[in-house]
Formats: sequence, C-alpha cells, structure tokens
Amino acid sequence: AQTVTQSQPEMSVQEAETVTLSCTYDTSENNYYLFWYKQPPSRQMILVIRQEAYKQQNATENRFSVNFQKAAKSFSLKISDSQLGDTAMYFCAFGYQGNLIFGKGTKLSVKP
Amino acid sequence: DTAVSQTPKYLVTQMGNDKSIKCEQNLGHDTMYWYKQDSKKFLKIMFSYNNKELIINETVPNRFSPKSPDKAHLNLHINSLELGDSAVYFCASSQDLGLAGGRQFFGPGTRLTVL
Repeated sequence: AQTVTQSQPEMSVQEAETVTLSCTYDTSENNYYLFWYKQPPSRQMILVIRQEAYKQQNATENRFSVNFQKAAKSFSLKISDSQLGDTAMYFCAFGYQGNLIFGKGTKLSVKP
Repeated sequence: DTAVSQTPKYLVTQMGNDKSIKCEQNLGHDTMYWYKQDSKKFLKIMFSYNNKELIINETVPNRFSPKSPDKAHLNLHINSLELGDSAVYFCASSQDLGLAGGRQFFGPGTRLTVL
C-alpha cells in the first residue's frame, strides 16, 4: 500500500523569503503522479504543482518548484519569494490509478 | 463558471437523521470522487465513480452511499448520522482514471456537523 509522509506539521517563513516543505512516499509502483495541493482558510483545495514520475525534470510553476528524487521517494516543494497569500495548509499527494493518497499536511504561515 | 460545485456548503443536523450532499461537475470528466477531511485535516478517499460504476470503495460504513444519476453528478447519501460523521466532505472529478491517475479538481467542500 502507498503511504505519504509530511514530517513538518507546521512551518513559518518571512515574507519574500524561500521555504521548502518536505514529503516522502512509499510505493512499489513505477508510474504514478505526485501533487502538491494548497488549502487556504477558505478550505478550497487548489492544485499547486504536479509531477509525473516518469519525468526526470523537476516541475515548476512560477514561484513554486519541486525537488523530485524518485530513488529516494522524496518530493519536496520550494516556495520562492513567499507571499502573505501563500499562508495555507499544504498537502502532498500520491496519485495512482485514479486514487489520491494524501499526507497529513503542513501548515505554512507567511509572516509580514 | 464553477467547475465542481457542492450543495450545501454547510449542513448541521441531529444524530440519527438521513442527509444528502450533492455534487455536480461541468468539466465533462469521466470520474468523480468523494473525500472526507476529518478534524485533524486528514483527507481520505471514500468513493470514486467512473462511467456510473463504483470503482473504489474504501472501508466506509454502508450508511454512506454514493449515487450517480449521470456522469456529471455524484451525490452522497448518509443514513443514521453519527457524531463521528462530522467532517468536511469534498467532491472531486478528473478526466479519467488513466494508468497513473491525473489531476483532480475539487469542489468547495461541505462542512457537516452532527449534533
């Protein structure tokens, strides 16, 4: 069975600085997707970034980028130039055959 | 236009009641899902429907029953509500299952409170 672990329950960062959120997962599968979702206080689940496991190149979306280490089963999210609006819960998720398995989330606070 | 919508957004009810939460997607997706987010923010899949067939059913009590009248709708019926059912329930949809699972679009969530 697949599992997803986020070892940082809470983190904080100063506005304009960079922060990295950690995620590790366990699977015996070779083809899968990895996701980071953001859940602000409005509780809407918003996709931040997606990575296909067969792609070696790390995904980037503007200020968001990932460090995908397939052999180590690690998928960290880097947020550059943090903004107040980045304050939210961040969930790492493993996708396989339509099933999304979520980590327990990291609560990120961006401080002015 | 809202891609995935849920009604109601808030639902407060008494123990023992039966309630439904509706979900609609206008993305033309083939697969829809229901997730439960507990008080600790942990999200877990409950069901998914692909072409009106239930394809994932995690160990969810049979008091919960998904009903899909058509490809664009997946409603969640809950019978004999219990205190532990209090949670936020999210509906989601995706284009198809795919080999590895693609992006899922989430609804705004329904906060269910059982008193």
